[in-house]
Amino acid sequence: DTEVTQTPKHLVMGMTNKKSLKCEQHMGHRAMYWYKQKAKKPPELMFVYSYEKLSINESVPSRFSPECPNSSLLNLHLHALQPEDSALYLCASSRVATGAAEAFFGQGTRLTVV
Amino acid sequence: RKEVEQDPGPFNVPEGATVAFNCTYSNSASQSFFWYRQDCRKEPKLLMSVYSSGNEDGRFTAQLNRASQYISLLIRDSKLSDSATYLCVVNGAYSGGGADGLTFGKGTHLIIQP
Repeated sequence: DTEVTQTPKHLVMGMTNKKSLKCEQHMGHRAMYWYKQKAKKPPELMFVYSYEKLSINESVPSRFSPECPNSSLLNLHLHALQPEDSALYLCASSRVATGAAEAFFGQGTRLTVV
Repeated sequence: RKEVEQDPGPFNVPEGATVAFNCTYSNSASQSFFWYRQDCRKEPKLLMSVYSSGNEDGRFTAQLNRASQYISLLIRDSKLSDSATYLCVVNGAYSGGGADGLTFGKGTHLIIQP
């Protein structure tokens, strides 16, 4: 089973709303990631969690707040977003966060900020 | 962060033909290499890892040349279902051995024509 599950699949939110994206995996992976993908662009790394600790924050604005409650779950809390934050948000996991570990992606949450 | 370069295409190829994609990466410290496939409005899916010795999976062959920092993907006997964007992906480009994330090339768009 190489499944990473993301909810919701689609989200429309206003600029004053607070919402959360959720990601879950049961593969025993100890690394989880958030990526952002704009149309016709490749995914861009936002955050890396390794053993439930935030290891990499790619200078992401504070209106995006990640959280890793346990080794299977990864959340992304959203607050005061801008229309340019509209994108596909992809969660991924891998066995570990280094080396040749292959990463598996969830189906993504398509976010529209209005 | 270092770059991964790909020809964006599109490559228009008749069904049954052989097609090859290339990719170069700029960080010589990169450790792991992958090809992902992404269909329109879907998540990236791992196609294959790329090893120095080269590796083959059915109709797909991947090669890595560390000296030239060059990765290739060959698709033989192409099928209509091979139409997708092929993403060259490198790990180990963010840090020198600590927790890391994937760096994606912009992708090569492949269209297999009947």
